[in-house]
Amino acid sequence: QKEVEQNSGPLSVPEGAIASLNCTYSDRGSQSFFWYRQYSGKSPELIMFIYSNGDKEDGRFTAQLNKASQYVSLLIRDSQPSDSATYLCAVNSVQGGSEKLVFGKGMKLTVNP
Amino acid sequence: DGGITQSPKYLFRKEGQNVTLSCEQNLNHDAMYWYRQDPGQGLRLIYYSQIVNDFQKGDIAEGYSVSREKKESFPLTVTSAQKNPTAFYLCASTGTLYGYTFGSGTRLTVV
Repeated sequence: QKEVEQNSGPLSVPEGAIASLNCTYSDRGSQSFFWYRQYSGKSPELIMFIYSNGDKEDGRFTAQLNKASQYVSLLIRDSQPSDSATYLCAVNSVQGGSEKLVFGKGMKLTVNP
Repeated sequence: DGGITQSPKYLFRKEGQNVTLSCEQNLNHDAMYWYRQDPGQGLRLIYYSQIVNDFQKGDIAEGYSVSREKKESFPLTVTSAQKNPTAFYLCASTGTLYGYTFGSGTRLTVV
């Protein structure tokens, strides 16, 4: 069973701070890594994806990938109250020629005004 | 606009009843997926289909069934064999490396 582990939450940060969310995965063959944001009662929406080791920046969001350590993280700079949501880490897994995403349990982030 | 449509948004099931959740996409994606989400939990894979007329069991397929007769449609039936069906059900599709697109979900409650 391929697993994706996220830090137990919840995480609370003040407005304007940096929020750091972390994720580890067990499948060394994984090539694609995703971060989804899910507001309460809503479906997940993709906010970042990363395929190569290193950092990938998109606005206030930075995804970091270290395949050797099987670790992927998401940094949110200048956190806003609207960033308050659950963040899901997802990793692709290929088994028997079929590809699927394996999700972590999610980390609830609260940004306090 | 392209997207995934799930219906109904809310569904109530009586004990011993089968219910079917609809999922339709107009994104021309080959692969479609059904996930279940329980409160405070991540997404668990029920069934997935990479191509028409073919599908595979996910991690929690017991008590569920699917069909994939058309590329656009991937309905999920929650059978009476599923003893704890109350959950948020999410359908997703993908056609590229850029992650999944999700529908808006169906919230199923047993009454």
